[in-house]
Amino acid sequence: KQEVTQIPAALSVPEGENLVLNCSFTDSAIYNLQWFRQDPGKGLTSLLLIQSSQREQTSGRLNASLDKSSGRSTLYIAASQPGDSATYLCAVLASGGSNYKLTFGKGTLLTVNP
Amino acid sequence: NAGVMQNPRHLVRRRGQEARLRCSPMKGHSHVYWYRQLPEEGLKFMVYLQKENIIDESGMPKERFSAEFPKEGPSILRIQQVVRGDSAAYFCASSPHSDQPQHFGDGTRLSIL
Repeated sequence: KQEVTQIPAALSVPEGENLVLNCSFTDSAIYNLQWFRQDPGKGLTSLLLIQSSQREQTSGRLNASLDKSSGRSTLYIAASQPGDSATYLCAVLASGGSNYKLTFGKGTLLTVNP
Repeated sequence: NAGVMQNPRHLVRRRGQEARLRCSPMKGHSHVYWYRQLPEEGLKFMVYLQKENIIDESGMPKERFSAEFPKEGPSILRIQQVVRGDSAAYFCASSPHSDQPQHFGDGTRLSIL
């Protein structure tokens, strides 16, 4: 059974700092891995999607890496801003017959202080 | 192109009542997924439907919960005889094909008094 763990559970940083969020998963047989952002009372916004054959994806100040063999992914946020404050969720999509079922971590609550 | 629409955004029910949650997928998407987010927990897969068919309901509680996605109209997640433990945020997602990225709605926050 796939399990996804995110560390840390919460993180508070001053504006401008670079930071790293961590995600680990127990079953390396994944189709892809996604990082989402969730604002309070809102839905999920997809930030980056990494296919199982890829090592990283970049979008603006965000960079996500994937090491499938070790079951790890990191989300790097450069020059953090107060608007980055949100919960960041990591999710893996199973490969094979269940390549529609996302398994989520509990998230990292990020607070960026002005 | 409107995103995934869920309604109501907030729903309050008393114990024993029924809750109906609606989800209209994005235009052109015929695959719908329901997830539940309990307090302090991650989102958990509940059910996957394709028009008029339940493909995988392995995440659904065995009793009181049902889902449908009729030929016409939105997908419905129905919870009968609600209990306090059903209080959660319920998210719907849709995709054009099963292995394509899922687009999420804003969720329905269900509160049980």
